[in-house]
Parts: sequence; C-alpha cells; structure tokens
Amino acid sequence: QQQVKQSPQSLIVQKGGIPIINCAYENTAFDYFPWYQQFPGKGPALLIAIRPDVSEKKEGRFTISFNKSAKQFSLHIMDSQPGDSATYFCAASKENYGQNFVFGPGTRLSVLP
Amino acid sequence: EAGVTQFPSHSVIEKGQTVTLRCDPISGHDNLYWYRRVMGKEIKFLLHFVKESKQDESGMPNNRFLAERTGGTYSTLKVQPAELEDSGVYFCASSPGLGGRSYNEQFFGPGTRLTVL
Repeated sequence: QQQVKQSPQSLIVQKGGIPIINCAYENTAFDYFPWYQQFPGKGPALLIAIRPDVSEKKEGRFTISFNKSAKQFSLHIMDSQPGDSATYFCAASKENYGQNFVFGPGTRLSVLP
Repeated sequence: EAGVTQFPSHSVIEKGQTVTLRCDPISGHDNLYWYRRVMGKEIKFLLHFVKESKQDESGMPNNRFLAERTGGTYSTLKVQPAELEDSGVYFCASSPGLGGRSYNEQFFGPGTRLTVL
C-alpha cells in the first residue's frame, strides 16, 4: 500500500515533443505529490508539486494532471528541450509535517535535438 | 545559501568493511532524511531525524546500519559490516522546521555512491 508505480521506465522524444510520465499510488492517505528532476551527478530537485484539491497545476512548461478517483497523476513537459533530459521521479506523502516521501522508480527522459 | 552536501561522493569497499557516510544539511533545517536508491530502482526512505532525535527509522534495513545526528547538525550513516546488497546511492535530504516556508519540500544532496565488492 506504500508503493508508487511509475511508467515508462525510459522515454525518448524529439525536441518540441510532449513526454508524459505516469504514476499511480495506492495509499489514499497520501495528499502531497511532488515531482523531482535529477541530472547526472546531482541530487533530485523539486520540479513541481500538487495537492489533491486541484486536478491540474502548471509551472512554465511543466504540468501535473491529477485524478484523485483513479489515484493517478502524470507529468507533461510541453515543448521539450534537450536540457530537459534527466531522470524524473514522482513521489507521494502525507502533507503533515515531517513525512517521508515514497518514490516511484524513476523515468529516464532523453530529448533529442 | 549552501545546499545539502554529502561526503564522500563515491566509496568502494570490500564486503565486511565499515563505511561512514556524512551529510551536512542546509543550515537551520531541523529535518534530515536518509534515502537509498539501489540499481535503478525507487529511492527508498531509510530514516528521519528531527534535530538530534530519530523520528522514524522504519526504513533502516537491519542493525548493520547506524545513523547519528549529534547536536542536530550534520548526520552520519555507518554501515558495519558492509554486504554486497548495500551497494547503491545514498541520498540525504533536509527540510525546514515547522513554521518554516515550504516545510514539506525536501532538498536533496548529490548522494554518495557506495560500491561493496
């Protein structure tokens, strides 16, 4: 019940394409869903996060869609660029203070020039 | 503001040896977390400190792992004796205390890649 599933494992798109990464969770107590972006040799960095009271959140070229009834959420990257090539992790937690994250296994995205 | 730092960046040891990883969180952050990513799998939670106290150590795999956070500043994670399955990337993260901005955002260090031969 603590698992977060993530797909695909890897993804290759052309510059300008719209990669979509999907995640699903089981624990209905989760109410905070961040996405982290990791470049080689660096630690994961928060990209965007959503709470279940909204169905969509957009920050720049990055959009999270959230389906509470299906317990699924996804990341869309509009007009993808080679600089977006990284590993993306979805995560879930209870939003209470000091909660640890449950991460998905990650998606390695390559955006070709 | 300096980010979360971890030392060493890489460590290669033989099975049975001891290794100590260090994490320096962002100054003033009360919360410190240890996570581990094994062979391309998910990043898994190990434990959580609030200041110097262990708040949750439910993710620690066994008693070969010992974490400390003396004085509520930096933290160490010792593996003794190391086994082959301990290989992976160990991440440290920190977050502000309650009342701080974005208290549920965790800031990650670059990780320590541990290889046990």
